[in-house]
Amino acid sequence: AQSVTQPDIHITVSEGASLELRCNYSYGATPYLFWYVQSPGQGLQLLLKYFSGDTLVQGIKGFEAEFKRSQSSFNLRKPSVHWSDAAEYFCAVGPYSGGGADGLTFGKGTHLIIQP
Amino acid sequence: DGGITQSPKYLFRKEGQNVTLSCEQNLNHDAMYWYRQDPGQGLRLIYYSQIVNDFQKGDIAEGYSVSREKKESFPLTVTSAQKNPTAFYLCASSKQERLPQHFGDGTRLSIL
Repeated sequence: AQSVTQPDIHITVSEGASLELRCNYSYGATPYLFWYVQSPGQGLQLLLKYFSGDTLVQGIKGFEAEFKRSQSSFNLRKPSVHWSDAAEYFCAVGPYSGGGADGLTFGKGTHLIIQP
Repeated sequence: DGGITQSPKYLFRKEGQNVTLSCEQNLNHDAMYWYRQDPGQGLRLIYYSQIVNDFQKGDIAEGYSVSREKKESFPLTVTSAQKNPTAFYLCASSKQERLPQHFGDGTRLSIL
């Protein structure tokens, strides 16, 4: 079965500092990979996606992520964080393999706190 | 503007009661999904539908039911068989099942 691991439950970063959120996945084939952001009480917004091709993908709000097949990782980065980046971040992999059900498998999320 | 509308934003259920959460999209998307979010648990798939009048169970379908009579609508019923329904419910849609999923703003369900 596929799975996504986000090893950091909480991360605290100073405003203006760089950010890296980790994501590791287990998937039987070439995955489609996604990063979403969620503000409190809101739905999820897609930051970026990887389907194939260039392993460094650019997203919205200045975020980027790099797909490393050898490490089964898809880490999210931002060179300089802003206070408005404080939110919950989810990594996801899809589609489901086998079983007939389709959709995305999500990690448990990383809560990003920005210090002034 | 196109998007996904979930209603109500907050919902309360009494013991033994069925409640229905609404999800409507005007994105002309084929596939629609329901996820449940619990604190510290990420999102888990309840049901999904690729086309009208067809839907499949996800990982945690027990105690839930859905219908897909129209392309735009995918309501979720939380039945009395769901013993722990308190959660944040998110509806999503996509043009094809492998493309990024667009999410609504969610419905928070609580037990009275």
